Amino acid sequence: QAVLTQPSSLSASPGASASLTCTLRSDINVGTYRIYWYQQKPGSPPQYLLRYKSASDNHQDSGVPSRFSGSKDASANAGILLISGLQSEDEADYYCMIWHSSAWVFGGGTKLTVL
Amino acid sequence: EVQLVESGGGLVQPGGSLRLSCAASGFTFSSYWMSWVRQAPGKGLEWVANVKQDGSQKFYVDSVRGRFTISRDNAKNSLYLQMNTLRVEDTAVYYCAREPVGFDSWGQGTLVTVSS
Repeated sequence: QAVLTQPSSLSASPGASASLTCTLRSDINVGTYRIYWYQQKPGSPPQYLLRYKSASDNHQDSGVPSRFSGSKDASANAGILLISGLQSEDEADYYCMIWHSSAWVFGGGTKLTVL
Repeated sequence: EVQLVESGGGLVQPGGSLRLSCAASGFTFSSYWMSWVRQAPGKGLEWVANVKQDGSQKFYVDSVRGRFTISRDNAKNSLYLQMNTLRVEDTAVYYCAREPVGFDSWGQGTLVTVSS
């Protein structure tokens, strides 16, 4: 089982909200990890969006719209990237990441389509 | 402005070697952990290795440990990745990334193609 699992694709309408999940393997507790989120558009390197561990331990990169926010769902053992007020420019691949067992680990990525 | 510029990619045969470089500017290079991250064509991101500010600590993903070596030269503001015994599955765009907490800056990447 992969350390981080993301749905491969997600579609949402302009103006709607999209909740991108990053589920941790069942033997590791989401509560103990900072979860990082990156956006990647075709032909470009990834861009850091934000990290989230808790309400008191989180960071958003400068220039990232407040429409992007992080949270956790402890019952699902998952990190969540919420994008509200979707815009066409939000169409991209999104990756989550954690530091686990002395290695950075990425999820497989979610392709977000805004249509 | 933070700039990271990778170089050294190209076509190499399986079993061959290649050395990637990353030239850093716009920040105090010696103050940051640095990483290499790769992305195979049409695939997701995979972290490869990182190195502490003074080079005293290095970590690798299991699939490259023993074949790849990460290093840095703080006097030259440069990060390196020596890749030996290359395999077809090492084909990817290789990015260098600055690592304050996670990766906040990335280069544009250099393509490594391992093929006969």
